[in-house]
Amino acid sequence: GAVVSQHPSRVICKSGTSVKIECRSLDFQATTMFWYRQFPKKSLMLMATSNEGSKATYEQGVEKDKFLINHASLTLSTLTVTSAHPEDSSFYICSATGGQGHNEQFFGPGTRLTVL
Amino acid sequence: AQKITQTQPGMFVQEKEAVTLDCTYDTSDPSYGLFWYKQPSSGEMIFLIYQGSYDQQNATEGRYSLNFQKARKSANLVISASQLGDSAMYFCAFRDSNYQLIWGAGTKLIIKP
Repeated sequence: GAVVSQHPSRVICKSGTSVKIECRSLDFQATTMFWYRQFPKKSLMLMATSNEGSKATYEQGVEKDKFLINHASLTLSTLTVTSAHPEDSSFYICSATGGQGHNEQFFGPGTRLTVL
Repeated sequence: AQKITQTQPGMFVQEKEAVTLDCTYDTSDPSYGLFWYKQPSSGEMIFLIYQGSYDQQNATEGRYSLNFQKARKSANLVISASQLGDSAMYFCAFRDSNYQLIWGAGTKLIIKP
């Protein structure tokens, strides 16, 4: 099946620093990638949708300058949390779809971000 | 706007029993997709099963089946012969015409030995 990797799996950083999270589709070309945020015991909240080579589409309430998304190739998308603060601490999950099958999204294992 | 509802925040089921997880949705679109994902404590989202709105038959994947009742707008997940490893969060998701997923709140399933 389609495999999506995410790196790092866990990161702890100081307030004010920036953190980059990578999402890669390992065995397929991802025409679209999605970035989600998940709070403890809650459902996934879509942050943005990105298509290769174009600007990401952010959901209402998500700050574009805070959460920078780059989808530079068909296998890689990055999310950079700029000037992170403790309230940005969360579980971030990416997913990718390549248009195959039922257009299901294949998910990365997630990144747990803790901002001190 | 589309809406998806999972009314069971948590369920306890005895091992080897079948379990049904409820999911209802609200849409006026004729074409849509319904997904179920499993999220174990490790955090990764695992795709389980898909049902298209035009599919005539209920989807099945191994021990998972989807009880699709289109007129009632429900898409319940049935897990037969539950196993301890089935303990996890289960999310129902509705895919709209933009291919975005709208997620239910999830159901925490705990299988008792």
